[in-house]
Amino acid sequence: AQSVTQLDSQVPVFEEAPVELRCNYSSSVSVYLFWYVQYPNQGLQLLLKYLSGSTLVKGINGFEAEFNKSQTSFHLRKPSVHISDTAEYFCAVTGNNDMRFGAGTRLTVKP
Amino acid sequence: DAGITQSPRHKVTETGTPVTLRCHQTENHRYMYWYRQDPGHGLRLIHYSYGVKDTDKGEVSDGYSVSRSKTEDFLLTLESATSSQTSVYFCAISDSLYNEQFFGPGTRLTVL
Repeated sequence: AQSVTQLDSQVPVFEEAPVELRCNYSSSVSVYLFWYVQYPNQGLQLLLKYLSGSTLVKGINGFEAEFNKSQTSFHLRKPSVHISDTAEYFCAVTGNNDMRFGAGTRLTVKP
Repeated sequence: DAGITQSPRHKVTETGTPVTLRCHQTENHRYMYWYRQDPGHGLRLIHYSYGVKDTDKGEVSDGYSVSRSKTEDFLLTLESATSSQTSVYFCAISDSLYNEQFFGPGTRLTVL
């Protein structure tokens, strides 16, 4: 079975600072990778995805992520965060009829 | 926004009672999923469907059953609810098993 590990459960950061949310996965098959964001009392919405091609993926709201196959990682980055980026972020992996989500990272942006 | 609705949005029930949650889509997507979200666990897949009357188990399927008699509707049933099934339940849809999923607003279920 596949698994996803989000290395930080909480990440506090000041407004306009850069941020990296870390995600590692394990799988014996080719995978497809996703980052979702969840604002309070809402469902999840897609930030970005890696299906194939370029390992650097750009998403909405200025976020990007890099797929690193050798390190089995898919870290999410943003060069300058805003208060409105405060939310919970989930990394997910699919492949071989299986789909797994990480436990989530709560990003809190402080003024 | 993808056309996904869940009903009810909130429900409080007692241990041992049956509960059915409904997910309805207007996107005609082939795949539909039920997840539960619990603190520290993220989202865990309960069951998913890949067509009318075609379903498969996910990571945490014990105590849950599903049915899909129409493309647009996917029902999740707790035959005899337990307190451990207190959670927030999300429905999702996708056009491919390996592509992005679109999520509903969630149902908060409390089992007393």
